[in-house]
Amino acid sequence: ETGVTQTPRHLVMGMTNKKSLKCEQHLGHNAMYWYKQSAKKPLELMFVYSLEERVENNSVPSRFSPECPNSSHLFLHLHTLQPEDSALYLCASSQDTGGYGYTFGSGTRLTVV
Amino acid sequence: AQSVAQPEDQVNVAEGNPLTVKCTYSVSGNPYLFWYVQYPNRGLQFLLKYITGDNLVKGSYGFEAEFNKSQTSFHLKKPSALVSDSALYFCAVRGDTGRRALTFGSGTRLQVQP
Repeated sequence: ETGVTQTPRHLVMGMTNKKSLKCEQHLGHNAMYWYKQSAKKPLELMFVYSLEERVENNSVPSRFSPECPNSSHLFLHLHTLQPEDSALYLCASSQDTGGYGYTFGSGTRLTVV
Repeated sequence: AQSVAQPEDQVNVAEGNPLTVKCTYSVSGNPYLFWYVQYPNRGLQFLLKYITGDNLVKGSYGFEAEFNKSQTSFHLKKPSALVSDSALYFCAVRGDTGRRALTFGSGTRLQVQP
């Protein structure tokens, strides 16, 4: 365990379903991130939450919506997804004070059918 | 905008031989550079980082990386590869100003043959 826990590990959903991915960290970090990992592509930053900023990648479709109720929890709400959204979704956290790397969760493997 | 290029999709090396995984970057300001490794069905694990100081950085599992400012490169190296080093390796960068989130490359698959 890295200290960042993602649930579920695997998710299969239909295009009309609504589901949520959960991420939890107890490392005392003050920034959390969602990344999308597709084969042979760079990791795509989707959303960032930190004390100082919330950043959204403008290319992320509105069918993905993040929620960060506190510094330890991060959600990614999914609705009406497309098959091309199938990927590994990674959550990470960091201490947002420059020079610190991320601690990643093990990811949620999402398959949209 | 910041970016990372990993020009090789895959690197093959024989066990016991030295290995190099290439990374070049573009960023505003001074770079913070990172290498991560990913094993199957797992998240990314931190290997090493360069923030400032000595251009040769040593990290986990015998890996090291050399920061070259003039060539904007941060290649990952290991003197003697192990079969267990076979994995997917990601280079990442952020600047010391502006956008704080890391930008990752597309990854390089390292295959070490016995």
